[in-house]
Amino acid sequence: GAVVSQHPSWVICKSGTSVKIECRSLDFQATTMFWYRQFPKQSLMLMATSNEGSKATYEQGVEKDKFLINHASLTLSTLTVTSAHPEDSSFYICSARDAGRGLSNEQFFGPGTRLTVL
Amino acid sequence: GESVGLHLPTLSVQEGDNSIINCAYSNSASDYFIWYKQESGKGPQFIIDIRSNMDKRQGQRVTVLLNKTVKHLSLQIAATQPGDSAVYFCAEIPFRDDKIIFGKGTRLHILP
Repeated sequence: GAVVSQHPSWVICKSGTSVKIECRSLDFQATTMFWYRQFPKQSLMLMATSNEGSKATYEQGVEKDKFLINHASLTLSTLTVTSAHPEDSSFYICSARDAGRGLSNEQFFGPGTRLTVL
Repeated sequence: GESVGLHLPTLSVQEGDNSIINCAYSNSASDYFIWYKQESGKGPQFIIDIRSNMDKRQGQRVTVLLNKTVKHLSLQIAATQPGDSAVYFCAEIPFRDDKIIFGKGTRLHILP
């Protein structure tokens, strides 16, 4: 149980285009999902917290107009990187918290999406 | 380009020996700690957790020790195997927060 998937697993795009990454909780409902970015040989950095049915909360320094987050259902959150540039190339990882586990703050992580912007 | 100083510390351990990975956390208000394992190209995988009211917790082949006085966390892996090769991150969750704050990570390299 508690499986989180991401799609696509990798994507290569041209500079200036937009890319959408999906995060799904497969066997549980997630009222809260989190989006992280990880550059090579670095740790995971939280970008934003996504709450179902409401606006995402972005961390300091993360442009909300560039990284659009939509959490329209209890099992799906999407991250759209708009007008992507080479410096946006990174490993994007989502996680989800099981709404059925009450006050538990355990997060289940997806396998990540490798974005390469040419 | 490469950023100076941004590299993962590496721990090299002989196969079969015990591994000890250390971590210093930053927030004295954190009351929940987690160790994650991340293999290349994959998301973090939960290994073991501990709450601040405990000093030690054991799992299968892994033990986590917490020293709140010096804000130090360690992960011990017994009888290290080739499959343990990965990057290990400690993470903390401040009291009444839902954000996970990841540490810098340590690469565990297994010597044959």
